[in-house]
Amino acid sequence: QVQVMQSGAEVKKPGASVKVSCKASGYTFTDYYMHWVRQAPGQGLEWVGRINPNSGGTSSAQNFQGRVTMTRDTSISTAYMELSRLTSDDTAVYYCARDPGSDAFDIWGQGTVVTVSA
Amino acid sequence: QTVVTQEPSFSVSPGGTVTLTCGLSSGSVSTSYYPSWYQQTPGQAPRTLIYSTDTRSSGVPDRFSGSILGNKAALTITGAQADDESDYYCVLYMGSGIWVFGGGTKLTVL
Repeated sequence: QVQVMQSGAEVKKPGASVKVSCKASGYTFTDYYMHWVRQAPGQGLEWVGRINPNSGGTSSAQNFQGRVTMTRDTSISTAYMELSRLTSDDTAVYYCARDPGSDAFDIWGQGTVVTVSA
Repeated sequence: QTVVTQEPSFSVSPGGTVTLTCGLSSGSVSTSYYPSWYQQTPGQAPRTLIYSTDTRSSGVPDRFSGSILGNKAALTITGAQADDESDYYCVLYMGSGIWVFGGGTKLTVL
Protein backbone atom coordinates (compact mmCIF):
# COMPACT_ATOMS: atom_id res chain seq x y z
CA GLN A 1 0.00 0.00 0.00
CA VAL A 2 0.99 3.63 -0.35
CA GLN A 3 3.00 4.75 2.65
CA VAL A 4 5.91 6.85 3.82
CA MET A 5 8.12 5.63 6.64
CA GLN A 6 10.36 7.92 8.65
CA SER A 7 13.61 7.36 10.49
CA GLY A 8 13.77 6.98 14.24
CA ALA A 9 14.00 9.45 17.09
CA GLU A 10 17.01 11.70 17.43
CA VAL A 11 18.61 13.51 20.36
CA LYS A 12 20.91 16.39 19.46
CA LYS A 13 22.85 19.07 21.28
CA PRO A 14 22.26 22.75 20.62
CA GLY A 15 24.17 23.93 17.58
CA ALA A 16 24.20 20.52 15.95
CA SER A 17 22.33 19.37 12.84
CA VAL A 18 19.75 16.62 12.38
CA LYS A 19 18.83 14.72 9.22
CA VAL A 20 15.48 12.94 9.03
CA SER A 21 14.61 10.50 6.28
CA CYS A 22 11.29 9.59 4.69
CA LYS A 23 11.08 6.44 2.55
CA ALA A 24 8.19 6.15 0.12
CA SER A 25 6.65 2.92 -1.06
CA GLY A 26 3.65 1.80 -3.05
CA TYR A 27 3.81 4.61 -5.60
CA THR A 28 6.23 6.31 -7.99
CA PHE A 29 8.33 8.52 -5.73
CA THR A 30 9.18 11.09 -8.38
CA ASP A 31 5.53 11.72 -9.32
CA TYR A 32 4.57 13.52 -6.09
CA TYR A 33 6.00 16.41 -4.11
CA MET A 34 6.95 15.73 -0.47
CA HIS A 35 6.34 18.20 2.33
CA TRP A 36 7.87 18.48 5.78
CA VAL A 37 5.74 19.61 8.73
CA ARG A 38 6.69 19.88 12.38
CA GLN A 39 4.85 20.07 15.70
CA ALA A 40 6.46 21.30 18.87
CA PRO A 41 5.21 19.82 22.16
CA GLY A 42 1.69 21.07 22.88
CA GLN A 43 1.72 23.29 19.80
CA GLY A 44 0.12 23.29 16.37
CA LEU A 45 1.37 22.13 13.01
CA GLU A 46 3.99 24.22 11.22
CA TRP A 47 4.89 23.85 7.55
CA VAL A 48 8.65 23.57 7.07
CA GLY A 49 9.17 23.07 3.35
CA ARG A 50 8.64 20.98 0.23
CA ILE A 51 10.76 19.13 -2.28
CA ASN A 52 10.03 18.08 -5.82
CA PRO A 53 11.54 14.57 -5.89
CA ASN A 54 11.76 14.68 -9.67
CA SER A 55 13.79 17.87 -10.07
CA GLY A 56 15.11 18.31 -6.54
CA GLY A 57 13.67 21.82 -6.43
CA THR A 58 12.66 23.05 -2.97
CA SER A 59 10.78 25.79 -1.18
CA SER A 60 10.69 26.50 2.54
CA ALA A 61 9.03 28.68 5.13
CA GLN A 62 10.78 31.94 5.84
CA ASN A 63 11.42 30.85 9.44
CA PHE A 64 13.65 28.03 8.19
CA GLN A 65 15.38 29.57 5.22
CA GLY A 66 19.13 29.24 5.56
CA ARG A 67 18.79 26.42 8.10
CA VAL A 68 16.86 23.71 6.30
CA THR A 69 18.13 21.55 3.45
CA MET A 70 15.82 19.14 1.68
CA THR A 71 17.25 16.49 -0.61
CA ARG A 72 16.22 13.18 -2.11
CA ASP A 73 17.70 9.93 -3.37
CA THR A 74 15.49 8.68 -6.14
CA SER A 75 17.31 5.33 -6.28
CA ILE A 76 15.87 4.42 -2.89
CA SER A 77 12.69 6.56 -3.02
CA THR A 78 13.74 8.54 0.01
CA ALA A 79 13.46 12.21 0.91
CA TYR A 80 15.59 13.90 3.54
CA MET A 81 15.20 17.00 5.67
CA GLU A 82 18.28 18.37 7.42
CA LEU A 83 17.96 21.17 9.95
CA SER A 84 21.10 22.91 11.15
CA ARG A 85 22.08 25.17 14.08
CA LEU A 86 19.54 23.48 16.31
CA THR A 87 18.13 25.17 19.40
CA SER A 88 15.71 23.93 22.04
CA ASP A 89 12.92 25.56 20.01
CA ASP A 90 13.49 22.92 17.32
CA THR A 91 12.41 20.14 19.69
CA ALA A 92 9.39 18.73 17.87
CA VAL A 93 7.86 15.85 15.98
CA TYR A 94 8.80 16.14 12.31
CA TYR A 95 6.45 14.67 9.71
CA CYS A 96 6.85 14.09 6.02
CA ALA A 97 3.65 14.15 3.97
CA ARG A 98 2.99 13.47 0.31
CA ASP A 99 1.32 16.08 -1.88
CA PRO A 100 -1.23 14.32 -4.11
CA GLY A 101 -0.99 17.09 -6.66
CA SER A 102 -3.68 19.24 -5.15
CA ASP A 103 -1.52 21.50 -2.99
CA ALA A 104 -2.39 19.52 0.11
CA PHE A 105 -1.02 16.57 2.07
CA ASP A 106 -2.53 13.11 1.82
CA ILE A 107 -0.17 10.38 3.06
CA TRP A 108 1.63 11.20 6.31
CA GLY A 109 4.64 9.55 7.88
CA GLN A 110 4.50 8.36 11.45
CA GLY A 111 6.60 11.25 12.66
CA THR A 112 10.15 11.54 13.95
CA VAL A 113 10.78 12.95 17.41
CA VAL A 114 13.74 15.32 17.49
CA THR A 115 14.89 16.43 20.92
CA VAL A 116 17.44 19.20 21.30
CA SER A 117 19.00 19.24 24.72
CA ALA A 118 22.35 20.06 26.24
CA GLN B 1 3.53 38.11 7.46
CA THR B 2 0.01 36.82 6.84
CA VAL B 3 -1.49 34.80 9.67
CA VAL B 4 -4.02 32.01 9.11
CA THR B 5 -6.72 32.23 11.75
CA GLN B 6 -8.85 29.50 13.34
CA GLU B 7 -11.09 29.43 16.39
CA PRO B 8 -8.96 28.15 19.30
CA SER B 9 -11.77 25.99 20.59
CA PHE B 10 -15.31 24.94 19.82
CA SER B 11 -17.83 22.61 21.35
CA VAL B 12 -20.69 20.65 19.82
CA SER B 13 -23.32 18.32 21.20
CA PRO B 14 -23.43 14.72 20.02
CA GLY B 15 -25.51 14.60 16.85
CA GLY B 16 -25.13 18.31 16.31
CA THR B 17 -23.58 20.32 13.52
CA VAL B 18 -20.51 22.53 13.83
CA THR B 19 -18.69 24.74 11.35
CA LEU B 20 -15.04 25.55 11.88
CA THR B 21 -13.50 28.39 9.91
CA CYS B 22 -10.12 29.29 8.45
CA GLY B 23 -9.41 32.92 7.65
CA LEU B 24 -6.64 35.35 6.93
CA SER B 25 -5.38 38.19 9.11
CA SER B 26 -5.54 40.28 5.98
CA GLY B 27 -7.77 39.49 3.03
CA SER B 28 -10.21 36.79 2.06
CA VAL B 29 -9.77 33.07 1.55
CA SER B 30 -10.80 31.82 -1.86
CA THR B 31 -10.46 28.53 -3.71
CA SER B 32 -7.16 29.87 -5.07
CA TYR B 33 -5.67 29.19 -1.65
CA TYR B 34 -6.54 25.46 -2.04
CA PRO B 35 -7.69 25.19 1.59
CA SER B 36 -7.32 21.75 3.14
CA TRP B 37 -8.29 20.34 6.53
CA TYR B 38 -6.68 17.83 8.87
CA GLN B 39 -7.83 16.03 12.00
CA GLN B 40 -5.38 15.10 14.73
CA THR B 41 -5.79 13.23 17.98
CA PRO B 42 -3.08 13.31 20.66
CA GLY B 43 0.00 11.28 19.82
CA GLN B 44 -1.12 10.55 16.28
CA ALA B 45 -0.13 11.84 12.87
CA PRO B 46 -2.66 14.13 11.22
CA ARG B 47 -5.39 12.61 9.08
CA THR B 48 -6.38 14.32 5.87
CA LEU B 49 -10.08 15.22 5.69
CA ILE B 50 -10.60 17.74 2.91
CA TYR B 51 -8.41 19.16 0.14
CA SER B 52 -8.91 21.70 -2.63
CA THR B 53 -11.65 23.42 -0.59
CA ASP B 54 -14.30 20.70 -0.76
CA THR B 55 -12.89 17.35 -1.91
CA ARG B 56 -13.08 14.63 0.72
CA SER B 57 -10.03 12.46 1.11
CA SER B 58 -10.42 8.73 0.58
CA GLY B 59 -12.38 7.04 3.35
CA VAL B 60 -13.61 10.24 4.97
CA PRO B 61 -17.33 10.05 5.78
CA ASP B 62 -19.66 12.53 4.13
CA ARG B 63 -20.42 14.01 7.56
CA PHE B 64 -17.35 16.12 6.85
CA SER B 65 -17.66 18.79 4.19
CA GLY B 66 -15.61 21.77 3.09
CA SER B 67 -16.64 25.06 1.56
CA ILE B 68 -15.99 28.78 1.32
CA LEU B 69 -18.29 30.75 3.63
CA GLY B 70 -18.03 34.47 3.15
CA ASN B 71 -14.35 35.34 3.30
CA LYS B 72 -13.21 32.13 5.00
CA ALA B 73 -12.76 28.45 4.29
CA ALA B 74 -15.05 26.28 6.37
CA LEU B 75 -15.19 22.70 7.63
CA THR B 76 -18.64 21.51 8.60
CA ILE B 77 -19.23 18.38 10.64
CA THR B 78 -22.81 17.14 10.73
CA GLY B 79 -24.07 14.51 13.14
CA ALA B 80 -21.07 14.96 15.43
CA GLN B 81 -19.82 11.82 17.14
CA ALA B 82 -17.72 11.33 20.23
CA ASP B 83 -14.70 10.31 18.21
CA ASP B 84 -14.82 13.60 16.30
CA GLU B 85 -13.32 15.16 19.41
CA SER B 86 -9.91 16.17 18.03
CA ASP B 87 -7.78 19.06 16.94
CA TYR B 88 -8.56 20.38 13.47
CA TYR B 89 -6.07 22.26 11.33
CA CYS B 90 -6.48 24.10 8.08
CA VAL B 91 -3.64 24.97 5.74
CA LEU B 92 -3.60 27.48 2.90
CA TYR B 93 -1.37 27.68 -0.14
CA MET B 94 0.02 31.23 -0.26
CA GLY B 95 1.60 30.89 -3.68
CA SER B 96 5.31 30.85 -4.56
CA GLY B 97 5.62 27.39 -3.07
CA ILE B 98 4.62 28.46 0.45
CA TRP B 99 2.00 26.91 2.73
CA VAL B 100 0.81 28.22 6.10
CA PHE B 101 -1.11 26.31 8.78
CA GLY B 102 -3.73 27.84 11.00
CA GLY B 103 -3.27 27.58 14.74
CA GLY B 104 -5.80 24.76 15.01
CA THR B 105 -9.20 24.35 16.66
CA LYS B 106 -9.74 22.04 19.59
CA LEU B 107 -13.18 20.50 19.15
CA THR B 108 -15.00 19.13 22.16
CA VAL B 109 -18.06 16.88 21.76
CA LEU B 110 -20.23 17.05 24.87
